[in-house]
Amino acid sequence: EPEVTQTPSHQVTQMGQEVILRCVPISNHLYFYWYRQILGQKVEFLVSFYNNEISEKSEIFDDQFSVERPDGSNFTLKIRSTKLEDSAMYFCASSEGRGLIQETQYFGPGTRLLVL
Amino acid sequence: ELKVEQNPLFLSMQEGKNYTIYCNYSTTSDRLYWYRQDPGKSLESLFVLLSNGAVKQEGRLMASLDTKARLSTLHITAAVHDLSATYFCAVDYSGNTPLVFGKGTRLSVIA
Repeated sequence: EPEVTQTPSHQVTQMGQEVILRCVPISNHLYFYWYRQILGQKVEFLVSFYNNEISEKSEIFDDQFSVERPDGSNFTLKIRSTKLEDSAMYFCASSEGRGLIQETQYFGPGTRLLVL
Repeated sequence: ELKVEQNPLFLSMQEGKNYTIYCNYSTTSDRLYWYRQDPGKSLESLFVLLSNGAVKQEGRLMASLDTKARLSTLHITAAVHDLSATYFCAVDYSGNTPLVFGKGTRLSVIA
């Protein structure tokens, strides 16, 4: 069964460093998302991406964040200068995006980011 | 702003018992999702409810949606230890829009 994959599974970085989180969405999906979950808290939306551009973003997704689809398969989230409060589990998700009423988002296994 | 409230947030139940988790949301939506998350793991899609009165069942879990009351329930029948996990409900306005999650219900099934 097709699935969303993410790398790395864990990332430890120093405050102020740049990190890039990578995702490979399900191959025929057109919508891509990043969410984050601070330990023990609810899942929060960061950004959605469609047709090579951001379709929606939340207040969390400030100038420190950027997303990119550098090739036909990868979808990346970059945090330019990490802060302690960026420590969280980051989930990538994708959906078919074909306007089907039964569409759902499928989540990857997550990248646990720890900023020291 | 779309808000999603779940209760209870913590639930400890004995094996074999029944219980219901509630999910309320604040604005009109016909789309509600239930996800399961095991500790340190990703979100596993359980149910997608897309219309008023929708009911779906999988094993010991049954989910329903009342769009007029803006309420969804996740009913657990004869709980077993394997159901121990955190359950999230989530709502979006339409397909391919951001999901807004509840805080989750941490379920612990004990012998």
